[in-house]
Amino acid sequence: KAGVTQTPRYLIKTRGQQVTLSCSPISGHRSVSWYQQTPGQGLQFLFEYFSETQRNKGNFPGRFSGRQFSNSRSEMNVSTLELGDSALYLCASSFSGNYNEQFFGPGTRLTVL
Amino acid sequence: AQSVTQLGSHVSVSEGALVLLRCNYSSSVPPYLFWYVQYPNQGLQLLLKYTTGATLVKGINGFEAEFKKSETSFHLTKPSAHMSDAAEYFCAVTPNSGNTPLVFGKGTRLSVIA
Repeated sequence: KAGVTQTPRYLIKTRGQQVTLSCSPISGHRSVSWYQQTPGQGLQFLFEYFSETQRNKGNFPGRFSGRQFSNSRSEMNVSTLELGDSALYLCASSFSGNYNEQFFGPGTRLTVL
Repeated sequence: AQSVTQLGSHVSVSEGALVLLRCNYSSSVPPYLFWYVQYPNQGLQLLLKYTTGATLVKGINGFEAEFKKSETSFHLTKPSAHMSDAAEYFCAVTPNSGNTPLVFGKGTRLSVIA
């Protein structure tokens, strides 16, 4: 069974632009969570979608948004990029939406210049 | 609310020596506890987790951790370090309902010296 895949793996954007990242969960998994990893703040939870509905949301500004499609694939969007948005963005999927059963993808490395 | 403290942002050991990575947590309810490993330019891989039952948990690659409620600790150990263990290690906690996102520690970078 294929693991969690994220595209693209690397991305370079400039300040003020917007970006969309994609996550394909393990087949059959209905929950997708997104995390931001930075050297300063560590790993922080962004939001989680289950069956196309946002169930949990972390403490991030409204510039960060996401959605989930009927095939469970998820996208996250960051608008009006700031230098501080440079990070590794990880997604994780689970079948039941239980956070103790997550599988992580390889991440998308976003660099904002 | 939950929080995790990992003591030591960088730990260096000799190949063949004991690996000890420390994790203390704070939780107002019984926790589930996790250790993840991250290799360069990769995502997180689950090493082991404590949910219920035996407090000594064995994981992959020879790692184990012991849940000590009285000490609010979940330290990760491996008897003999290998060069391939060099990576970043993260401890995480969530309430035992499993319905709340994981809270991660800041991570500990493990270096293994030949």
